[in-house]
Amino acid sequence: RKEVEQDPGPFNVPEGATVAFNCTYSNSASQSFFWYRQDCRKEPKLLMSVYSSGNEDGRFTAQLNRASQYISLLIRDSKLSDSATYLCVVTRYNFNKFYFGSGTKLNVKP
Amino acid sequence: NAGVTQTPKFQVLKTGQSMTLQCAQDMNHEYMSWYRQDPGMGLRLIHYSVGAGITDQGEVPNGYNVSRSTTEDFPLRLLSAAPSQTSVYFCASSYSAQILSYEQYFGPGTRLTVT
Repeated sequence: RKEVEQDPGPFNVPEGATVAFNCTYSNSASQSFFWYRQDCRKEPKLLMSVYSSGNEDGRFTAQLNRASQYISLLIRDSKLSDSATYLCVVTRYNFNKFYFGSGTKLNVKP
Repeated sequence: NAGVTQTPKFQVLKTGQSMTLQCAQDMNHEYMSWYRQDPGMGLRLIHYSVGAGITDQGEVPNGYNVSRSTTEDFPLRLLSAAPSQTSVYFCASSYSAQILSYEQYFGPGTRLTVT
């Protein structure tokens, strides 16, 4: 079973829409959680870390559900510039590795 | 402060050739890693290092070697290139090797084609 799984999409949404992605992780000992954004033919960049209590950064909200072992990303009022691939990343206690999901592609249309 | 730099940006190799992909960071980060990214497969860890002189294998290490003689540099060597190694290669670094709660910073990538 993969360490981290994501729906590859694409999610095609109009500008102004609200869209949510989920990401599931397989190991209950997972320690830290992140959402990265990757534009076409560019390197991944951190969008936000995900905290146990959930956190918000402008139009973006991230949630962690340890009981069901998933994290979510909610984007409100989508912009054309939000079009990208969103990567879910997880780390585990005592494992010196970041585990990446294969990404969810978002297309925001005018 | 250049962050993470990678050279070259593009490379074409013939099967059987060897080469080294360079990676350097100027942030004094402990943790450095190499990933390859193929369509539909996400980023897969090749090798990583938790400090100078310490390296370990990731998910797909076969055909690649690394060394970490300094904190700043983490080169990736392809020993005998194969078409299956055609991919985009990213180097990344993170502040702490002990606490992986810090973000990773990525280099701009190297696009490698093996013919």
